[in-house]
Amino acid sequence: GQNIDQPTEMTATEGAIVQINCTYQTSGFNGLFWYQQHAGEAPTFLSYNVLDGLEEKGRFSSFLSRSKGYSYLLLKELQMKDSASYLCAVTDSNYQLIWGAGTKLIIKP
Amino acid sequence: GAVVSQHPSWVICKSGTSVKIECRSLDFQATTMFWYRQFPKQSLMLMATSNEGSKATYEQGVEKDKFLINHASLTLSTLTVTSAHPEDSSFYICSAKGGGDADTQYFGPGTRLTVL
Repeated sequence: GQNIDQPTEMTATEGAIVQINCTYQTSGFNGLFWYQQHAGEAPTFLSYNVLDGLEEKGRFSSFLSRSKGYSYLLLKELQMKDSASYLCAVTDSNYQLIWGAGTKLIIKP
Repeated sequence: GAVVSQHPSWVICKSGTSVKIECRSLDFQATTMFWYRQFPKQSLMLMATSNEGSKATYEQGVEKDKFLINHASLTLSTLTVTSAHPEDSSFYICSAKGGGDADTQYFGPGTRLTVL
């Protein structure tokens, strides 16, 4: 079956760096998304990786290794507003989205 | 657990026709379901929120008469795109709340609609 794994919850300190991992097993691969979702709000797009390597966008970076079925989202200089759920989603060979359950990130002062 | 399915996965229709998309929670009772459109820059736009047995709450700018939402049971919500036009072509995603973690949304795989 198709599966995406990411940690359920992580805690980090304001100003620090945190890495949220995502591993996937899907039938085919056509890209991996990271979304941020604050409670009660719609997910907002953070990144899209389709080729191996690191994509940097401000304080957020996303890495992909297709051979390992692995991605991570790196958040630097953490701010309190970064407290949210982070969703990993993969587009499979049929262009269907396979979603992870999300990682709840808690930022402490 | 907490699986959400959508049917169909993709659909192509002629302009002016209506299309119904189903969203089902397979192993939990979804007290609330959400419908989103995914736009080219990959952001998700919330269209409406539906609670079982009551009328859906539509976001500003979403035409309720065009996008009919029915949440008839705790495991099924439907989105009907009425009189579809090419600009309605998009990827429609549903999500559901009500599984083990009441605050977590579980997302469906999406339905790609192409209107010719």
